[in-house]
Amino acid sequence: EAQVTQNPRYLITVTGKKLTVTCSQNMNHEYMSWYRQDPGLGLRQIYYSMNVEVTDKGDVPEGYKVSRKEKRNFPLILESPSPNQTSLYFCASSLSTGYNSPLHFGNGTRLTVT
Amino acid sequence: AQKVTQAQTEISVVEKEDVTLDCVYETRDTTYYLFWYKQPPSGELVFLIRRNSFDEQNEISGRYSWNFQKSTSSFNFTITASQVVDSAVYFCALSVPTNAGKSTFGDGTTLTVKP
Repeated sequence: EAQVTQNPRYLITVTGKKLTVTCSQNMNHEYMSWYRQDPGLGLRQIYYSMNVEVTDKGDVPEGYKVSRKEKRNFPLILESPSPNQTSLYFCASSLSTGYNSPLHFGNGTRLTVT
Repeated sequence: AQKVTQAQTEISVVEKEDVTLDCVYETRDTTYYLFWYKQPPSGELVFLIRRNSFDEQNEISGRYSWNFQKSTSSFNFTITASQVVDSAVYFCALSVPTNAGKSTFGDGTTLTVKP
């Protein structure tokens, strides 16, 4: 089954404790991206990747890191999480690197930082 | 810069009513794509439709229809004879080639369909 898989689905952590949210897609998609969803703010893009070893900042990249060493994986790293990073996170992928392909989303990761 | 406005934060209807979700976009690009996504209470985000800027034909898929009007920069979504299962948050999004990789999402409209 074609899908984007995020793990974990739920994560509670403490301020400053490094964490990684994994994202993997099995559709051989070129493009991958991370979003965060907060009430009243819609979906805001954190980082995106057009291809392996190519990553770029989205609208809210502060406090996050990403890497794209393999085409299928695009982990999101929070080196020192803070409470304002409590949010619902979505990984997404699409077939092309452009603007014309719909996004396929993972099921989301609900992160709570205390 | 691109912008997507979904002015209706929340809409509540009774089952079988028709409902229209508004989406107004802003871009200086003449080539662009518009999308609608659905987020049901279970939380996942599901792609519904894509429309490019050169195709102003309206589209119907079952009870769903989309009205794209370049003259008013709108891409509205209508659900006919709404059902409880239509209850969800609906997002409109815009992508342009001059900013490839960055999709701009509206804030979403929460639709509640009551039995």
